Order: sequence, then C-alpha cells, then structure tokens
Amino acid sequence: DAKTTQPTSMDCAEGRAANLPCNHSTISGNEYVYWYRQIHSQGPQYIIHGLKNNETNEMASLIITEDRKSSTLILPHATLRDTAVYYCIVRVAAGTASKLTFGTGTRLQVTL
Amino acid sequence: DGGITQSPKYLFRKEGQNVTLSCEQNLNHDAMYWYRQDPGQGLRLIYYSQIVNDFQKGDIAEGYSVSREKKESFPLTVTSAQKNPTAFYLCASRIVGSGNTIYFGEGSWLTVV
Repeated sequence: DAKTTQPTSMDCAEGRAANLPCNHSTISGNEYVYWYRQIHSQGPQYIIHGLKNNETNEMASLIITEDRKSSTLILPHATLRDTAVYYCIVRVAAGTASKLTFGTGTRLQVTL
Repeated sequence: DGGITQSPKYLFRKEGQNVTLSCEQNLNHDAMYWYRQDPGQGLRLIYYSQIVNDFQKGDIAEGYSVSREKKESFPLTVTSAQKNPTAFYLCASRIVGSGNTIYFGEGSWLTVV
C-alpha cells in the first residue's frame, strides 16, 4: 500500500504562507493525492486534491512534484482559524473497493 | 441538505455490551468507510464498502462488524471483543471513481464505562 509521511507539527505566523509537505514515494500513476484538515475532532474537511498537475482553489494550492513522490499544500495567507491537523491521503485500490489510507497528519499552529 | 449523518453523537457503553453506531448518507455515494480516532492520534481504517452486501476489513477490524444492506446505510457494531473501544468514530463516503471527493460525517464519541 502506498504510504504517506508528514511532519508532526509546524508553526506559521498569521498572514504568512503555510507550506505543508507530504511524501508519498510509492504512489501509483493513477492514484490521487487528497488533502483534508480536522479541527477539534470534528469530521475532516476537504481542502483540495490532484493527480499530477498543480491545483488551486479558494482555500489552497497543491503543488505535486514531477515524479509525484511528494506534494506540498500551500495556504497562501494563514489565519488563526487555519490552526488544525492537516492530513495527506493517497487513494489506494485494494480488492473490490478503494481503501483510503491517512497519513500521520501535521498539526499546524498559526500564531499572531 | 445532502450529507452524512452519524448518530448518536455521544454514547456511553458498559463493558461487555455491544453497541451500534449509525451512518446514513443521502448523497447516493457508492463507497462508505469507518475510521477510528484516538485522542491526539490520526485516523485508522476499520471497514470499508464499495457496493451493497460487500465490505472489506481495514487495518483494525478486530472487534468490529459492519453491514451494508442498503446503499445509504453502513452501521458499525462495536462488539465486546474490542479491547479498547473508547474512541472517536468517523464515517465517510464517496462516489466510486478516480478523484472523487470524500465526505465525512461529524463523528460519534464512544466511551466505555
């Protein structure tokens, strides 16, 4: 199974860009990378996903390396409300269903 | 509104009792998932299902059981065989196919007393 690794924690000053890395060196060619975040043990919130091209939406940007072995989630102007645990997920096909395996998660602390 | 509904939000169980957590979705999603989260930890996959009447064990299926009799429903039973059942349980679903977004419910807190 493809696995992901993320730093345990990161700090970011409010108003600055937060860059959260994820390694997925065993990712297969047709597997997507998803990013979610979780605040106060609520249900995780979808942020963005991509296959090989860089992606951007109203929340964040996703940069995927050319070899697809790693990616970076960018929050361009972090706010205090962005403090959360961020999960990088690779969709793995297993048997008759697709298994969703979570990474270790990065706890992002945004400070004044 | 469409979404995933988990119930109950909070549940207390005595040791030795089975308990069933409900997960219902009205999104017409094919695949459904159950995760367990311990305090300060990440999510671990318990069971998942892509079609009705079919499901697969995840990484920590021991002590749990599921059923998928209807597309919109994927209940999780925490049995007395689960040694440390106190945790936060999350249900998720998505349309089958590459790149489809995964949606999560708000979770259920289970405490064994």
